[in-house]
Amino acid sequence: KNQVEQSPQSLIILEGKNCTLQCNYTVSPFSNLRWYKQDTGRGPVSLTIMTFSENTKSNGRYTATLDADTKQSSLHITASQLSDSASYICVVSPNNAGNMLTFGGGTRLMVKP
Amino acid sequence: DTGVSQDPRHKITKRGQNVTFRCDPISEHNRLYWYRQTLGQGPEFLTYFQNEAQLEKSRLLSDRFSAERPKGSFSTLEIQRTEQGDSAMYLCASSLASPYEQYFGPGTRLTVT
Repeated sequence: KNQVEQSPQSLIILEGKNCTLQCNYTVSPFSNLRWYKQDTGRGPVSLTIMTFSENTKSNGRYTATLDADTKQSSLHITASQLSDSASYICVVSPNNAGNMLTFGGGTRLMVKP
Repeated sequence: DTGVSQDPRHKITKRGQNVTFRCDPISEHNRLYWYRQTLGQGPEFLTYFQNEAQLEKSRLLSDRFSAERPKGSFSTLEIQRTEQGDSAMYLCASSLASPYEQYFGPGTRLTVT
């Protein structure tokens, strides 16, 4: 069964600190991996999308890495802000059609002042 | 604002009642997706449309669930004879066929009492 596992499940950090979220997947075949940010009670918003040939992609203070050989990805958040408090979801797609996304359970991040 | 709208945002219903949700995608997007998300979990794929054609349905979509996209624009998701286990956030997303980046709506929170 294709799976996407994320760790940690939850994380609390102080404002201004950095953090790294992990994603391991067993989805095969693999086409692309996405990271989404989901605020409480809202729909997910895309942060990054990487194909198997990309190792890293940045979006402001968010940097995603991908190791397609070990099937691992990470999302690094630099200089965290209170508004970064949200769930971060790793999503893997086996094809380019976008219709077979497999979502991880998310990491719930809380940034405290 | 991603441009995908959903209505209603919240719905409380009694077990056994029927409910219908509406999704209005971004106007030029020909693909529309429905997901279900329970608390603390990532979204799970339910079904997707390309224009008015329903191309794929998850096994999660029992015979009590039906989705339509009659004119290839807005879509409705109906749940008949609701059960307490149907309580969840129902998310809609839309995309172009290519690129296939999905944009999510704010979701409809269903509570079955």
